[in-house]
Amino acid sequence: GAGVSQSPSNKVTEKGKDVELRCDPISGHTALYWYRQSLGQGLEFLIYFQGNSAPDKSGLPSDRFSAERTGGSVSTLTIQRTQQEDSAVYLCASSLTKGTHGYTFGSGTRLTVV
Amino acid sequence: DAKTTQPTSMDCAEGRAANLPCNHSTISGNEYVYWYRQIHSQGPQYIIHGLKNNETNEMASLIITEDRKSSTLILPHATLRDTAVYYCIVYQTGANNLFFGTGTRLTVIP
Repeated sequence: GAGVSQSPSNKVTEKGKDVELRCDPISGHTALYWYRQSLGQGLEFLIYFQGNSAPDKSGLPSDRFSAERTGGSVSTLTIQRTQQEDSAVYLCASSLTKGTHGYTFGSGTRLTVV
Repeated sequence: DAKTTQPTSMDCAEGRAANLPCNHSTISGNEYVYWYRQIHSQGPQYIIHGLKNNETNEMASLIITEDRKSSTLILPHATLRDTAVYYCIVYQTGANNLFFGTGTRLTVIP
């Protein structure tokens, strides 16, 4: 597609439920990133995928968070047993390759845990 | 880890040039300077990047000092739509992600 697409744009869930957030990167982009942004804060790196290599999961805050990327394209970020502190905007970005190419971000998924 | 220092906020009059400074005194020879901006309720948007030389594109100019310890992003004729948080990022080639600090909140005033 023309840009990075994320769905849903908004998600309200009850504490303790699982949620799945989806990211469709730009076609042909091999690198995909997930970040989250809490209200009024900067971006926090979560996970990075590059082609068929093992992902860099160093930013995932707990084992309740996981992500996968199927077929080198679409990615899903899963949060199990959501907590109120998980409330944030979850942003996905893709780039042509890892390196000196700029990232293109999606508009994010606003997750609210009540 | 933050490798850059930026002012928390700045104002600029509409139509004037906005000059956003960034200090990166510990930058290494293989690290680039990237600028992104984030308009309210949107994802960050890539603006420009450079290594040593000054760069210009349709959005902005990037001036990097000769010792590379600081840089300035210039928006030549700021408009109200340029109101955003501007992030200066030092990126090491091969790193797995960009570190976004807290940025500079630029407000363009009519």
